[in-house]
Amino acid sequence: DARVTQTPRHKVTEMGQEVTMRCQPILGHNTVFWYRQTMMQGLELLAYFRNRAPLDDSGMPKDRFSAEMPDATLATLKIQPSEPRDSAVYFCASGLGQVPTQYFGPGTRLLVL
Amino acid sequence: DQQVKQNSPSLSVQEGRISILNCDYTNSMFDYFLWYKKYPAEGPTFLISISSIKDKNEDGRFTVFLNKSAKHLSLHIVPSQPGDSAVYFCAAYLQMNYGGATNKLIFGTGTLLAVQP
Repeated sequence: DARVTQTPRHKVTEMGQEVTMRCQPILGHNTVFWYRQTMMQGLELLAYFRNRAPLDDSGMPKDRFSAEMPDATLATLKIQPSEPRDSAVYFCASGLGQVPTQYFGPGTRLLVL
Repeated sequence: DQQVKQNSPSLSVQEGRISILNCDYTNSMFDYFLWYKKYPAEGPTFLISISSIKDKNEDGRFTVFLNKSAKHLSLHIVPSQPGDSAVYFCAAYLQMNYGGATNKLIFGTGTLLAVQP
């Protein structure tokens, strides 16, 4: 049963702390996407990778967010320092080549106090 | 600049009746359109898609209609079941090339469907 996995599922932290979210894409998928869901904006694309190379991170606040793929089985999204306005659910999704369908993980619910 | 719009934040339907969820878009270059369903505390799951060269795609109880001249698509669920109660996202796929094909999904803000028993 191939699925995208994300850890942690929930994270509560204090303002100013570093937050790292992890994603394991479906084995064999070569595109990875990070989204943020907020009440007002719906699903916003933060960054995406193809064959581990970052293709677009224009949706991310550059000063505090960073996204990497250390290897084909791991993608990370880091926030440093975190702020209360970063509180949201962060989803990772993976896909294959130019096939439009993306498969989502269960999300990381982040609360920054 | 919202390229994909779902103007109805919520919809309530009786079990057994038809649910119609609507989506409008602005960019005529979109290649595919997809619908995702999302339950609370879970990630969105893919439901059905349609190519921009088609006007209808059907999968069981789910049918998606595309009206390119109106830049409008809709998802029909017949008959609606209580288990269909979820948030439905419309998404548009835009394939762009920057020295190698890339692909992006642009999502609407979702419609909460409640199917009443």
